[in-house]
Amino acid sequence: GENVEQHPSTLSVQEGDSAVIKCTYSDSASNYFPWYKQELGKRPQLIIDIRSNVGEKKDQRIAVTLNKTAKHFSLHITETQPEDSAVYFCAASIGGNKLVFGAGTILRVKS
Amino acid sequence: DAGVIQSPRHEVTEMGQEVTLRCKPISGHNSLFWYRQTMMRGLELLIYFNNNVPIDDSGMPEDRFSAKMPNASFSTLKIQPSEPRDSAVYFCASSGDRRSLHFGNGTRLTVT
Repeated sequence: GENVEQHPSTLSVQEGDSAVIKCTYSDSASNYFPWYKQELGKRPQLIIDIRSNVGEKKDQRIAVTLNKTAKHFSLHITETQPEDSAVYFCAASIGGNKLVFGAGTILRVKS
Repeated sequence: DAGVIQSPRHEVTEMGQEVTLRCKPISGHNSLFWYRQTMMRGLELLIYFNNNVPIDDSGMPEDRFSAKMPNASFSTLKIQPSEPRDSAVYFCASSGDRRSLHFGNGTRLTVT
C-alpha cells in the first residue's frame, strides 16, 4: 500500500555538525516531497520541498536530494544549531493532492 | 494572512459526548485536509476535500467520524459518540496550487 518509511527515528548531533534524515516511498507515481519541522506543542511547518523534476534543492543550511529510481529522498541540515532541535517529517504525494507522512525523526542538537 | 484557523484549541469531553472541531482554511486554497496525530500512529490523513467536495475519506477510522465542508471557508470534523481512544491532536491543513500544506495550530482532544 501507500507507505513512507523514515530513518532514523531519533538523531543526536553536536552543534555545528551535519544531520541527515532519509525517507523511502512506495508509490512510483509520487511527484512531490515536502519536509516539515514540528516543535514541541506546535504545528508542523514546511521547511523545504522538492518536485520530481529535480534531483536536489538547497535553501541556506537545508538541502533535499531525491533519487526517483531508488524511490528515496533525504534531508540534509548543515552547521546545526540548538534551534534546529525538533521533530522532522518527510512526506510523499499519493494520487494527486494526498500526502502520506513518515513517522518522524526527533533531532536533538547538543550545544 | 491569518493562516489556517482551528477551534477550539483544547477540548476535554466525556466518553459518549459529541465533539465538533472547526477549521477555516487559507483564503484561496482549494484543498482542505484533516489529520490526526498521536504518538503511536504519527500523522494520519483522515479525509481531504477538493473544491469543497470530499475526495478521499479512506482514513476516517469508523462511522463515528464525519466531516463536512459546506463552503470554501469552513469545515467541521465531528465525532459522535466520542471514545477515549479518539484522544489526539487533530490538525486541519489547506493547500493551493503549489500543493504545500499549511497546518492550523491543531485541536488537542481529550476524551475521558
